[in-house]
Amino acid sequence: NAGVTQTPKFQVLKTGQSMTLQCAQDMNHEYMSWYRQDPGMGLRLIHYSVGAGITDQGEVPNGYNVSRSTTEDFPLRLLSAAPSQTSVYFCASSYVAQGIVKRGGNTIYFGEGSWLTVV
Amino acid sequence: AQKVTQAQTEISVVEKEDVTLDCVYETRDTTYYLFWYKQPPSGELVFLIRRNSFDEQNEISGRYSWNFQKSTSSFNFTITASQVVDSAVYFCALSEAGIGSQGNLIFGKGTKLSVKP
Repeated sequence: NAGVTQTPKFQVLKTGQSMTLQCAQDMNHEYMSWYRQDPGMGLRLIHYSVGAGITDQGEVPNGYNVSRSTTEDFPLRLLSAAPSQTSVYFCASSYVAQGIVKRGGNTIYFGEGSWLTVV
Repeated sequence: AQKVTQAQTEISVVEKEDVTLDCVYETRDTTYYLFWYKQPPSGELVFLIRRNSFDEQNEISGRYSWNFQKSTSSFNFTITASQVVDSAVYFCALSEAGIGSQGNLIFGKGTKLSVKP
């Protein structure tokens, strides 16, 4: 099925460990992004990418790394996990950023979320 | 800077009541888009509506309706005759579309709606 695939769905990490959240889409979308969701905070943008080889920071980028070597994949790396990174992470993709008009529509697709706990 | 405020943190209603979820936004762009998403207890994000800043017509979809008022920078969401299945967290979001804007989605903090039978 077409869509955004996030793995893993659940993960427990120890403080200081590193890990990568994987995100893949098969819709040939140029725009991909990562959000984190914390209680009472809504979804906050971590990093985004407007195409292969191009990434930029969102509202809360500290402690996270991203790369976009292919159109399909947009992994999110935690280099040294901290308890403050305990959160639910959502990956999203769309043809272009939501603020850009695109003939034919520009639906944004969200992954199912990754629940990360850092102890 | 852009900002979305959902002042109601939690709302509890009894089934069949009407309920309105408030959303107030801030933006310097004259061109922008507004969204509502639903997040049921299962956790996924469900798209409900997208409106552009030039279209102030109210929209109705079944029991759902949206009231967009540029004069008050509000985009409120009303559920008529609420049902238990409407229980969820609802997010309002904004994306700016002006020149120089990145066009990213900015979310409010969400309103948790509980509908009791």
